[in-house]
Amino acid sequence: DGGITQSPKYLFRKEGQNVTLSCEQNLNHDAMYWYRQDPGQGLRLIYYSQIVNDFQKGDIAEGYSVSREKKESFPLTVTSAQKNPTAFYLCASSRRTSGGTGELFFGEGSRLTVL
Amino acid sequence: EDQVTQSPEALRLQEGESSSLNCSYTVSGLRGLFWYRQDPGKGPEFLFTLYSAGEEKEKERLKATLTKKESFLHITAPKPEDSATYLCAVVPGTASKLTFGTGTRLQVTL
Repeated sequence: DGGITQSPKYLFRKEGQNVTLSCEQNLNHDAMYWYRQDPGQGLRLIYYSQIVNDFQKGDIAEGYSVSREKKESFPLTVTSAQKNPTAFYLCASSRRTSGGTGELFFGEGSRLTVL
Repeated sequence: EDQVTQSPEALRLQEGESSSLNCSYTVSGLRGLFWYRQDPGKGPEFLFTLYSAGEEKEKERLKATLTKKESFLHITAPKPEDSATYLCAVVPGTASKLTFGTGTRLQVTL
């Protein structure tokens, strides 16, 4: 079955540690996205990529980094510079790279807790 | 600044009790408005895309409509399995990414 796989589902981190969240898709989609979801707030865009080896900052990119070396993969690193990293992280992909499509396919999410 | 506001924040319905969720938006142009359903602890699932005022889309007990200022998600004779958070999002004409609302948390009881 085609879809998006995020791992791990739950992750605990000590302050000062970097962590990497995995996102893999087998939908053959060009565009991939990382969102952060906090209680009472809408989904906020961290980074997005429309093509391999290229990515753009979203609204809240500070303290995060990404790479897009393969079409199928878009890992997100939460660095120690991120002041409030505890959140639910969602990876998504879409068929087209134009801004007109909002039909995103989401993974199951990764919940990061900083101890 | 582009804004999406959803109301109510939470809604509790009895099975069979129809109602509507609201999504009002302020954007500079509108490329499209999107509805998603999100179950607890899961990623959102795409429901509908609306592009122009007057457009309507239906899926089972759900019907989405669009005006120039807002969209409604009508739920007819809901069932407990319709319980979820419903998210609205827009793509403004000047942007290349979605702006999400905070969602309406719907609970349908027997």
